[in-house]
Parts: sequence; C-alpha cells; structure tokens
Amino acid sequence: DIQMTQSPSSLSASIEDRVTITCRASQSIGSHLNWYQQKPGRAPRLLIYAASSLQTGVPARFSGSGSGTDFTLTINSLQPEDFATYYCQQTYSTPLTFGGGTKVAIK
Amino acid sequence: QVQLVGSGGGVVQPGRSLRLSCTASGFTLVTYALHWVRQPPGKGLEWVAAISYDGGKTYYADSVKGRFTISRDNSKNSFYLQMDSLRTEDTAIYYCARDLHFDILTGYPNWFDPWGQGDRVTVSS
Repeated sequence: DIQMTQSPSSLSASIEDRVTITCRASQSIGSHLNWYQQKPGRAPRLLIYAASSLQTGVPARFSGSGSGTDFTLTINSLQPEDFATYYCQQTYSTPLTFGGGTKVAIK
Repeated sequence: QVQLVGSGGGVVQPGRSLRLSCTASGFTLVTYALHWVRQPPGKGLEWVAAISYDGGKTYYADSVKGRFTISRDNSKNSFYLQMDSLRTEDTAIYYCARDLHFDILTGYPNWFDPWGQGDRVTVSS
C-alpha cells in the first residue's frame, strides 16, 4: 500500500497568512494526487486535482504543486472560510489512500 | 444542480447487514466510476470501494473485502454498498462520491467530485 504522510498535522495561522501543507508518498505516484478540504459535519470538497489543477469554483488563492513523491498545497492570504481540515489523496494504485489530514486553526 | 444523495445509514448489531444507497441528480452516472469512502468518528478518511462505469470491475479495501459489495444500477442513476458481517470497527460516516473517469487504474489521474452528504453507520450491540 502507498502511505501518504501529511505535515504538519495541525497549524495555527492568522487571516491573510500564507499557509503551506506538505504531503509525501511512500513511492512515486506521478501526478495522481488530489487535495480536499473538509469542514466539521460536512463532506470533503475537492480543491486541487492531478497535483496542480484548480477545481472549478475554488478560489485562486489555493494552489498545488509537486510530482513523484513530494507535493504541496499552498493557501495564499488565508481567509476566515479556509479554517478546516485538509487531506491529500493518491489515486495511483489501490487501495486509494488519504493522508492523515492537516487541521488549520485560527491563531 | 449536480449532487449525490445518500441514504440507508442507521444502527445495527455486530454480524448483521446494512445496505447504503446513493442517487445522483443533475447528471447521469452512466459514464463514471463511483466510490464509497468512510470516516470513523474523529478520524481521517478511508477509501472503501470503487466500481467501474459499467459495473464490470470492482475494487475493495482489504478491511472490507469479502464482507462489502459495491454495485450500481445505471437505469436508476444509483449505486449501492451492501455491508455484511458488520463489525464495531465499521462504525463511521459513509460518503458516496463520483470519479471523473470511467474507471480507476487506467494510467490517468482520478479525482472525486461531487461527494454525497454522508450517512452515519453505527455498529453496536
């Protein structure tokens, strides 16, 4: 199985901060990497697919980069609605696996 | 509006069965692979199962293989998760989700959108 390791597991940030979350795969997954946002009591929401493509309707302050084993989700100018938990996901091989999540909280 | 609506969750005793359903509105499911993902209370996301666009291929997490069955009925624009021999560790919110491709493991990236609202399954005596 491909293990997805996210870091940090949690962080505190202020409005308008730039936030970076990393995701490392235990083996190369090319660009088969997605990022989701989840708020309490809600279903996950797709933000970034295929490592760097912004999903329609997602604000441009979200961006993704990376390939192979190392990936990054960046939120430029953090907004109040961005406080949530973020998950990476690999779809390169089964079982499809998610990272453990990064909770972004208000400082 | 493109959305998935899940149903069928509830409380069940260990060893019993439950069937989850997920119905699409605003689009037809027929050309997409479909997935179930679960989230135990206070924990992260775990992929459970997937099915190809025509139902010809199914895929499972090891934790549910042999106990859960994913299926679809394209004529009803719906898909299902039959859960047998339920265990306490199956307690979770279960989400249905659409893949943007017809199958997984094709060499092309896959991603999940939209997701259903989630159905709570509690396995307890």
